[in-house]
Amino acid sequence: EAGVVQSPRYKIIEKKQPVAFWCNPISGHNTLYWYLQNLGQGPELLIRYENEEAVDDSQLPKDRFSAERLKGVDSTLKIQPAELGDSAVYLCASSPRPAHEQFFGPGTRLTVL
Amino acid sequence: GEDVEQSLFLSVREGDSSVINCTYTDSSSTYLYWYKQEPGAGLQLLTYIFSNMDMKQDQRLTVLLNKKDKHLSLRIADTQTGDSAIYFCAEAGSGNTGKLIFGQGTTLQVKP
Repeated sequence: EAGVVQSPRYKIIEKKQPVAFWCNPISGHNTLYWYLQNLGQGPELLIRYENEEAVDDSQLPKDRFSAERLKGVDSTLKIQPAELGDSAVYLCASSPRPAHEQFFGPGTRLTVL
Repeated sequence: GEDVEQSLFLSVREGDSSVINCTYTDSSSTYLYWYKQEPGAGLQLLTYIFSNMDMKQDQRLTVLLNKKDKHLSLRIADTQTGDSAIYFCAEAGSGNTGKLIFGQGTTLQVKP
């Protein structure tokens, strides 16, 4: 069974530029999560989807971050414009249903110069 | 609020046992998890324990849960160099939503 797929694995951009990350969850997993992991820290939830509905986006900085999960499968997380402090690893995870074990992708490491 | 704390670093010799400790604050957490993260990789679920249990064993891994003290530990028996990684403790936040609250991670260094 294929795991959670994320792309790109690495991204380097200049500040004020836009950037987008893509996630393909495990087939059949209805719940999808985006996490932010700063260096030396544990992941922090940004947004959680149940199918195509964002059910918890309270931690998403909505002035510059947006996310979508069209058709309830793949998801895209966007930052526009990026700031220096956005440099981090962005992790996507999926689970068959809420409150069930989460499977993580390898993450996208973003560097903002 | 919800918070999870871990010690930052642990160094052991190959073949010894490792014990990684974690404290959490949310007494209503139903599940507590241990994840492993190797360099450049995502998080891999190692094991989890339901809140009505006080111990769970899975091969070389033993999880102990003290609900009264809100303390969770992970013991790795016969630690190998391949066990070198960052270990994260996580609690499932209240409300059974699947939201995980992670600690800051414990770096385990295994010396040959």
